[in-house]
Amino acid sequence: GAGVSQSPSNKVTEKGKDVELRCDPISGHTALYWYRQRLGQGLEFLIYFQGNSAPDKSGLPSDRFSAERTGESVSTLTIQRTQQEDSAVYLCASTRENGGEQFFGPGTRLTVL
Amino acid sequence: GQNIDQPTEMTATEGAIVQINCTYQTSGFNGLFWYQQHAGEAPTFLSYNVLDGLEEKGRFSSFLSRSKGYSYLLLKELQMKDSASYLCAVPKGGSYIPTFGRGTSLIVHP
Repeated sequence: GAGVSQSPSNKVTEKGKDVELRCDPISGHTALYWYRQRLGQGLEFLIYFQGNSAPDKSGLPSDRFSAERTGESVSTLTIQRTQQEDSAVYLCASTRENGGEQFFGPGTRLTVL
Repeated sequence: GQNIDQPTEMTATEGAIVQINCTYQTSGFNGLFWYQQHAGEAPTFLSYNVLDGLEEKGRFSSFLSRSKGYSYLLLKELQMKDSASYLCAVPKGGSYIPTFGRGTSLIVHP
């Protein structure tokens, strides 16, 4: 079946604007993760959804960041009042089961001018 | 806390063998993952180790020693397409949230 998809693939925005990033996980995958990857850096965990449990938001860097997921489907990551330091690739991943291998989407490259 | 160390960069020759090391510190061990990430692309899964020993999968093998907090990824018969970043990841103790190392950039030259 189809893999994890993300949209948009690229987003250029002005400082102070809000942006919304979308992730469609693989159908049937119960867990969904968001990561941020700055140029030349490792993956930075942002938030984790597992089924209908409360999400683990421990990685969100500030209250400008929020994410939602409806059931076991689409997730959106919202960044309010974007700053230049938010420029990065935002990756989404899903897993079939807890602790399993992660299937990553192609990412959204966010550039804040 | 969680700490994962791996070399920043390695170079090797096409056809050779290379070993990429990863050391970690974690409270409560839930396994260790290796991912490959080509430039500009998303990471893809390579291996998962939860017990000590060597897991072989084609040209790639992964080794784990839990007592030493140590793993390595062994790549044999290197090909140019193996040039990529290799990420070591360990779930935080008692959770399913992996902490990723910064990755080892492998450059394979002719």
